[in-house]
Amino acid sequence: SYVLTQPPSLSVAPGMTATFSCGGIDIGSHSVHWYQQRPGQAPILVIKYNSDRPSGIPERFSGSNSGNTATLTISRVEAGDEAVYYCQVWDVDSDIVFAGGTKLTVL
Amino acid sequence: QVQLVVSGGGLGRPGGSLRLSCAASGFSFSDSYMSWIRQTPGKGLEWISYINPSGKIVYYEDSVEGRFTISRDNSKNSLFLEMKSLRAEDTAIYYCVRDYQCFDFWGQGHMVTVSS
Repeated sequence: SYVLTQPPSLSVAPGMTATFSCGGIDIGSHSVHWYQQRPGQAPILVIKYNSDRPSGIPERFSGSNSGNTATLTISRVEAGDEAVYYCQVWDVDSDIVFAGGTKLTVL
Repeated sequence: QVQLVVSGGGLGRPGGSLRLSCAASGFSFSDSYMSWIRQTPGKGLEWISYINPSGKIVYYEDSVEGRFTISRDNSKNSLFLEMKSLRAEDTAIYYCVRDYQCFDFWGQGHMVTVSS
């Protein structure tokens, strides 16, 4: 089955840039989607199809995908960005795959 | 405004049954693929089933195949998940979600506990 790997945690100071990685074999050939989940809430789609921002998502959120790593970048991090961020793909053999998530702490 | 409101579920016994319902509004439900996704502290987010707009094509994750049944009533903008032969490992927060590849709208989540 297809496996996605994310670091469990990331700490960033306010105003700085948070960079999340999502690793998978040849993930660049997959479409990657990113979700934000604040404590006690349902996930929210923040990046779809590698780099598209859904309506209502700030321009501070961006994504890229190449080779074996997909990346979510949050510029000018704010306290309200503190959450767990998940990457997800659809794989022809494994169907829907979620990674374990990276918890963002805003210092 | 999109809303996906889940009801039903709650506490079930091992080997027993529960049913979840999801009332959808704010988008064209009858034109949408719909999925159920669950979340546990140990396994994280886990997609378990999807259904196509007409309801004629359904798909299940291996661990629930043969035990869970997804269905829909487009006339009532409603999605259902019938859960049978419950196991302790089915204990999770269950989400009603739009689409089957990229999940753009999520319901609020509904706790299902399987315990004797």
